[in-house]
Amino acid sequence: GAVVSQHPSRVICKSGTSVKIECRSLDFQATTMFWYRQFPKQSLMLMATSNEGSKATYEQGVEKDKFLINHASLTLSTLTVTSAHPEDSSFYICSARTGGYYGYTFGSGTRLTVV
Amino acid sequence: TQLLEQSPQFLSIQEGENLTVYCNSSSVFSSLQWYRQEPGEGPVLLVTVVTGGEVKKLKRLTFQFGDARKDSSLHITAAQPGDTGLYLCAGHRGGATNKLIFGTGTLLAVQP
Repeated sequence: GAVVSQHPSRVICKSGTSVKIECRSLDFQATTMFWYRQFPKQSLMLMATSNEGSKATYEQGVEKDKFLINHASLTLSTLTVTSAHPEDSSFYICSARTGGYYGYTFGSGTRLTVV
Repeated sequence: TQLLEQSPQFLSIQEGENLTVYCNSSSVFSSLQWYRQEPGEGPVLLVTVVTGGEVKKLKRLTFQFGDARKDSSLHITAAQPGDTGLYLCAGHRGGATNKLIFGTGTLLAVQP
């Protein structure tokens, strides 16, 4: 089946630095990928829709200059958290549209801790 | 704004008990999915329901999509400790990108 690989699984960074999270579709091409944020024991909040070869579409309230999304190829989307602060600490998850209109596959997530 | 409200938010039951989780919205969704997520992992798809009134069964799990496609329910029969996890409903908004909007989540703990 379709596999989405997310890397790294865990990262700790210092306040003020930037962190890049990668989301790769391993055996299929993904023209559309989605980035979510999740706080402990809470649901997933959609941050943005990543479209290959074009600008990402951000949800209301999400700072696009803070969360930079690049989808330069059909198999890779990246999320860069710029000038990270402790409040950016969270679990970030990507997903990709797979076969069919309702098909989605999720990555295993990245636990970001900003100290 | 969370468009999909789930209830209950937390549920702790004994092995063998039955339970129902509800997913409600004031908006119509083109379809709805249910996921189960374990700590530190991404959500895993359980089922997709598309037609209003549709009922799907997956072993001990029964899923129903409301007639008006605004709500859904998940019923688990004879719960087992392996059913423990975060259950999420998610609605499709339709359109070209067909964004998936998640419900508020139900954290289930099944005690042996």
